[in-house]
Amino acid sequence: DVKVTQSSRYLVKRTGEKVFLECVQDMDHENMFWYRQDPGLGLRLIYFSYDVKMKEKGDIPEGYSVSREKKERFSLILESASTNQTSMYLCASSFLQGRAEAFFGQGTRLTVV
Amino acid sequence: GDSVTQMEGPVTLSEEAFLTINCTYTATGYPSLFWYVQYPGEGLQLLLKATKADDKGSNKGFEATYRKETTSFHLEKGSVQVSDSAVYFCALSGGGSARQLTFGSGTQLTVLP
Repeated sequence: DVKVTQSSRYLVKRTGEKVFLECVQDMDHENMFWYRQDPGLGLRLIYFSYDVKMKEKGDIPEGYSVSREKKERFSLILESASTNQTSMYLCASSFLQGRAEAFFGQGTRLTVV
Repeated sequence: GDSVTQMEGPVTLSEEAFLTINCTYTATGYPSLFWYVQYPGEGLQLLLKATKADDKGSNKGFEATYRKETTSFHLEKGSVQVSDSAVYFCALSGGGSARQLTFGSGTQLTVLP
């Protein structure tokens, strides 16, 4: 069974903390993505990566960075967490060629207080 | 750029009612089209897909047909169940932004017993 695993289901962090969200996939996918999901705004792409050490900005990269040191792992970093980054974060992966479906992790509900 | 437009929700139906959720898209090239479902507190799961014009995707009683002439991919189910209550997302891949999925805003479906 294909799997995308996010390290935490729920996280509570303080304003100003550096936060790491980890995502691992076991499908040998080239592409990996980070989205955030907010009520009324749908899914918005933060960053994606199509190869190790490669990254591209999505629609809302401000306040975030990413790291992809290994093919199976894609980390989202909040350099200095703020309350407006309270959200559901979803990781996904897919094969390199366009038109492929993406597989999602279970999501991380992050609350910044 | 690519875009996906879904009918606004929320949608509330009685059990065994007929469901239609409208989805239209704008894309360059020949995208693949998808419906994803998100149950409360979970990530997104692929429900069905279609990769070329006139293809019909189907799964768990849900169906959608790729209509190139009307740029649509409407989701239908003949008889909904309480367990179908979820948020449904229409998405495309392989249009202008070849590697990433473009999502609609999601439609919340509630089915009452």
